[in-house]
Amino acid sequence: AQRVTQPEKLLSVFKGAPVELKCNYSYSGSPELFWYVQYSRQRLQLLLRHISRESIKGFTADLNKGETSFHLKKPFAQEEDSAMYYCALMTTGNQFYFGTGTSLTVIP
Amino acid sequence: GAVVSQHPSRVICKSGTSVKIECRSLDFQATTMFWYRQFPKKSLMLMATSNEGSKATYEQGVEKDKFLINHASLTLSTLTVTSAHPEDSSFYICSAPKAGGYTGELFFGEGSRLTVL
Repeated sequence: AQRVTQPEKLLSVFKGAPVELKCNYSYSGSPELFWYVQYSRQRLQLLLRHISRESIKGFTADLNKGETSFHLKKPFAQEEDSAMYYCALMTTGNQFYFGTGTSLTVIP
Repeated sequence: GAVVSQHPSRVICKSGTSVKIECRSLDFQATTMFWYRQFPKKSLMLMATSNEGSKATYEQGVEKDKFLINHASLTLSTLTVTSAHPEDSSFYICSAPKAGGYTGELFFGEGSRLTVL
């Protein structure tokens, strides 16, 4: 069965410091991994997807199949990055499964 | 953009009654919609996948007769919580990918908070 694990429920960093939000997955097939973000009082929205290998708002994430990880990183955190971050896995059947989420707080 | 809208955003009902939540894709067609349930401080739990014109696919442990899903058109899916009980109180969220040219991006509704008294 598929599973997405985000070990950190809460994460606080100072502005300008690097930030890494961890995500590990378990899936027998070939997964597609995503990061979704929910800012205060807004709905969930896509941040980035592994297949695009893109950098969005300074965030990057690399899929490591050997470690079954898809950690989200940003070298210099900004206050506006404070939000709830969800790692998500899409199965070959196009169903999405989410991790428990990490609440990131960037301290000014 | 792509907008998904849910209605109602908040509903309170008595135990034993049924409640219907609508999920609409406003500016795109959605052959598939996902229904999630969010518990306090916990993740989004996938309940079922709604497919236009066919039966929904339920996740293990989700009661089909309890959570009735209908996807009658390419822009509307409904979730009916039947004979609701206080333990059904939760935040229900729907989402949909754009039909055709599947990019893997989900568009989320604003959620519906159900409180069963």
